[in-house]
Amino acid sequence: ELKVEQNPLFLSMQEGKNYTIYCNYSTTSDRLYWYRQDPGKSLESLFVLLSNGAVKQEGRLMASLDTKARLSTLHITAAVHDLSATYFCAVSMEYGNKLVFGAGTILRVKS
Amino acid sequence: DGGITQSPKYLFRKEGQNVTLSCEQNLNHDAMYWYRQDPGQGLRLIYYSQIVNDFQKGDIAEGYSVSREKKESFPLTVTSAQKNPTAFYLCASSIGGTSGYEQYFGPGTRLTVT
Repeated sequence: ELKVEQNPLFLSMQEGKNYTIYCNYSTTSDRLYWYRQDPGKSLESLFVLLSNGAVKQEGRLMASLDTKARLSTLHITAAVHDLSATYFCAVSMEYGNKLVFGAGTILRVKS
Repeated sequence: DGGITQSPKYLFRKEGQNVTLSCEQNLNHDAMYWYRQDPGQGLRLIYYSQIVNDFQKGDIAEGYSVSREKKESFPLTVTSAQKNPTAFYLCASSIGGTSGYEQYFGPGTRLTVT
C-alpha cells in the first residue's frame, strides 16, 4: 500500500526566510504532484514532476524529485505572506492514475 | 471557459437521507475522480472512472455510489449507509487514466449532515 508522508505538518516562518517541505513515499513511483490549497478553497496545481531528477521552479517555489530516495522537496525562497496556504504532495499510482495524498503542510508566513 | 463545476457549493441534509453531488467538466477529459477531505487531512479517493460507463472503487467507497453515463458528468451519491458523511468533497478530471496526467480539481462541495 502506497503511503505518503509530509513534514513538517505545520510551518510558521518569517517573511524573507527560506525553508523546505519534505514529501516521502513508500513504493516506487516517478509521478509526483504538488498542490496548494487556500482555506475553504479547492486545490491548485503547482508542479508536476514526472522523472527522477526533475526540478521545477515558479517564483519563490522550487520542487524536486529523487525517485531513488522516494523523496520530493518543495523549497521556499524568501517567503512572503501570500505564500501562506496548505501545501500537499501527491503520488500517482500506476494504474488508473489514482493519487495518494500526504496530510498537507500548513504554511504561515509572518511579517 | 473550460473547467470543472461542482454544485451545490454548500449542502445540508438530515441523517438518513441520500444526497447527490454534481460534477461536470467541459475539458473533454476521459478520467474523472471523487475525493473526500476531512478537516486538517489530505484527500482520500472515493471512486474513479477512466471511461464512460465504467468506474472503480477507491480507498473509501463504502456508503457512496457513482455513475458515468456521459463523458462530462460524474455524479456522486452519498447514501445513508455512509457513517460520517460530513466533509468537503472534491471532483477532479484528467486527460487519461494512465499515470502521469495532471488532475484538475473543481471548487468542491461542502456537505453537512445533522
